[in-house]
Amino acid sequence: DAKTTQPPSMDCAEGRAANLPCNHSTISGNEYVYWYRQIHSQGPQYIIHGLKNNETNEMASLIITEDRKSSTLILPHATLRDTAVYYCIVRSGSTLTFGKGTMLLVSP
Amino acid sequence: NAGVTQTPKFRVLKTGQSMTLLCAQDMNHEYMYWYRQDPGMGLRLIHYSVGEGTTAKGEVPDGYNVSRLKKQNFLLGLESAAPSQTSVYFCASSRPDRVYYGYTFGSGTRLTVV
Repeated sequence: DAKTTQPPSMDCAEGRAANLPCNHSTISGNEYVYWYRQIHSQGPQYIIHGLKNNETNEMASLIITEDRKSSTLILPHATLRDTAVYYCIVRSGSTLTFGKGTMLLVSP
Repeated sequence: NAGVTQTPKFRVLKTGQSMTLLCAQDMNHEYMYWYRQDPGMGLRLIHYSVGEGTTAKGEVPDGYNVSRLKKQNFLLGLESAAPSQTSVYFCASSRPDRVYYGYTFGSGTRLTVV
């Protein structure tokens, strides 16, 4: 599976959009991009995934660049409950490999 | 609909003791996984199963054994616990199809080996 690079931490003001970047320059054509988050002490939670088109669901939007070498997870109106570690994962096989992710701190 | 249930939630073991962690899912998922998470680290895959009666090694399998005798259950065993196995253990399950809706994780088992 391709490796990903994420900033270790980010801050966001409550009510503003949170844009979390991920670099996956070695991604191959059949690998999907997945985003999960882990709120303190809980099990990770699936957010969204995509292959090459932008995706949106009730939680977030996923923007994948045309060359697929990077992506951005967008939380349109961040709340305090969105404070968590966000993991960007690239996968083609049957398992997920988690890196250290980005710690997003949403402040009032 | 409980999703993924892990038992126990907390456990303290003495070095050399054995124990089994139980993971149960009620979503009829084919795939199940065991991860461990150490402080400040991401999750690391221990073992996984792609169906009843099958198991496979993940990134950090040493010191652990698993069994998947029933589709809904995935057991993780520690035969002789060591302090290095102090960690939070997460179980997850998923559908096998390529375009899926994500892993569902349990709430974790916090294990301390003294």
